[in-house]
Amino acid sequence: DQQVKQNSPSLSVQEGRISILNCDYTNSMFDYFLWYKKYPAEGPTFLISISSIKDKNEDGRFTVFLNKSAKHLSLHIVPSQPGDSAVYFCAASSNDYKLSFGAGTTVTVRA
Amino acid sequence: SQTIHQWPATLVQPVGSPLSLECTVEGTSNPNLYWYRQAAGRGLQLLFYSVGIGQISSEVPQNLSASRPQDRQFILSSKKLLLSDSGFYLCAWTRTSVGDTQYFGPGTRLTVL
Repeated sequence: DQQVKQNSPSLSVQEGRISILNCDYTNSMFDYFLWYKKYPAEGPTFLISISSIKDKNEDGRFTVFLNKSAKHLSLHIVPSQPGDSAVYFCAASSNDYKLSFGAGTTVTVRA
Repeated sequence: SQTIHQWPATLVQPVGSPLSLECTVEGTSNPNLYWYRQAAGRGLQLLFYSVGIGQISSEVPQNLSASRPQDRQFILSSKKLLLSDSGFYLCAWTRTSVGDTQYFGPGTRLTVL
């Protein structure tokens, strides 16, 4: 049962514009959410996280928004750069030792 | 600072052969350790996790097993590989607190022929 869903498998955006990645979850017990970035043949690297007590967290060009009532979070990348082309995974945790991951969204930044 | 190592980086094995992938973490004590697999075009599937030496939790019934012989060492094994075992295997660690960020190793690309 996929508890974390990234319904857009791919996203193409022009350099300098905003990239918006979406993630939905079904488990109301999730209280900690993360975004990871992954290049081919490399391990995922942690980007940004948000606790359920907040609705927004910002780190440089990356901002994560959390809508608990809708069980939805999004990652905004502004401005998008060519180095942002990668697969982005959404993940969630429910006060245990495990993370549940979405299937990923492949972002392509066009010059 | 903490560092996580995985080896080998790539591996090509015939069907029916054994497997041993190793993961070690430096710069921390008593980490939680995880094995994930990413099949082609798919997300990350949690295979095993460990909260201490000798303690292994299995998430998915499969042809694989895991062991933690030392505090910062996590091993993924198989006695007989299947074609479906091909994928990208990732080790991750986190501090021993729930809801903490997991940090991933560089991964091992396994191809079973």
